[in-house]
Amino acid sequence: NAGVTQTPKFQVLKTGQSMTLQCAQDMNHEYMSWYRQDPGMGLRLIHYSVGAGITDQGEVPNGYNVSRSTTEDFPLRLLSAAPSQTSVYFCASSYGRGSTDTQYFGPGTRLTVL
Amino acid sequence: AQSVTQPDIHITVSEGASLELRCNYSYGATPYLFWYVQSPGQGLQLLLKYFSGDTLVQGIKGFEAEFKRSQSSFNLRKPSVHWSDAAEYFCAVVKGNKLVFGAGTILRVKS
Repeated sequence: NAGVTQTPKFQVLKTGQSMTLQCAQDMNHEYMSWYRQDPGMGLRLIHYSVGAGITDQGEVPNGYNVSRSTTEDFPLRLLSAAPSQTSVYFCASSYGRGSTDTQYFGPGTRLTVL
Repeated sequence: AQSVTQPDIHITVSEGASLELRCNYSYGATPYLFWYVQSPGQGLQLLLKYFSGDTLVQGIKGFEAEFKRSQSSFNLRKPSVHWSDAAEYFCAVVKGNKLVFGAGTILRVKS
């Protein structure tokens, strides 16, 4: 199993550009989530999904969209990038439909918005 | 409201010394608690978790944590630190259908 994969590893955007961060898992996990990590703030939940076709907002959803058309994939879209979205983004997945199961994290995407 | 507090931003210990990383939570009568570790440039890996039962839980890499309801704490411990333990450690609590993380503690190990 590849586990949780994320692409790209690094990305530089200009303010106002849009892009999609890809996340895929091959463990047949129901629960998937996106976090952003900023120094001194830990990981903050952006959006999550408890199964295909179901998504919900986390702590910091503004400026981001998600969809979950398949169990495997959970892309994160930045609609109009802003410097405040410079961060490291992690995707995670877990077996159950809730957040009580062990989450498996991808390697992260480091995004810089100029 | 802050759900998880890790009071120490940085901790430095000597190799072979004991370690305790503090975590206080403020959500849930019976919380679901986790400790994750992040090595430099990597994603997070689960060290251990507590849901119920024995309040002392054992994890991977020789780590353990003790749940103390009266103190709303879930501190992580290791009797003897190795240089490879240098990393950032995150405490987390389940809040509804979400996992809420503390700000993290960076552990430095000096030889």
